[in-house]
Amino acid sequence: DSGVTQTPKHLITATGQRVTLRCSPRSGDLSVYWYQQSLDQGLQFLIQYYNGEERAKGNILERFSAQQFPDLHSELNLSSLELGDSALYFCASSPIGGQSGELFFGEGSRLTVL
Amino acid sequence: GIQVEQSPPDLILQEGANSTLRCNFSDSVNNLQWFHQNPWGQLINLFYIPSGTKQNGRLSATTVATERYSLLYISSSQTTDSGVYFCAVCLGTSGSRLTFGEGTQLTVNP
Repeated sequence: DSGVTQTPKHLITATGQRVTLRCSPRSGDLSVYWYQQSLDQGLQFLIQYYNGEERAKGNILERFSAQQFPDLHSELNLSSLELGDSALYFCASSPIGGQSGELFFGEGSRLTVL
Repeated sequence: GIQVEQSPPDLILQEGANSTLRCNFSDSVNNLQWFHQNPWGQLINLFYIPSGTKQNGRLSATTVATERYSLLYISSSQTTDSGVYFCAVCLGTSGSRLTFGEGTQLTVNP
């Protein structure tokens, strides 16, 4: 158990819908990262938050947004869903933000868009 | 951006065999991690190893940062070792986010 909690574990929805994925980092970790794993793109970095502020942005679509709340949990919002958004979405956390540190991953949220 | 190449892409072993997985990266890094993704999709931390050698049971890893590669050794493999092994690196200039390789798919047969 990494200590990173993600909900829901599985989600099935239809095209055009909106979903919210939730992540609770390990106790004491200030940084949260979101990754997408799809069959054709591998593991792709989406976005990082550190202590409530956006720290880095990767290949995140404009239809996707995220935030980190004062209690440090984070949510990834996916809207106007398309078939290609079907993927495993991982959250990871680390104690620090701008420098190297070990990342720990949650079990992922598997999204299926029909 | 940084390139991370893993080899071999696929590996099939008999239970009890040893194996070496390789990760080459194209730039200096300040973090390197090895993960095992099990058949249920969970990403399990194996090693945090930006340099040097570490061992954990039947697994060990070595990173030679100056030559930009890392090796993961699996000895006396078991069927539960099956899954995908990922190497991921972090550039100092990219904060602490990890860039993943494409992985090595390991199958251990009984």
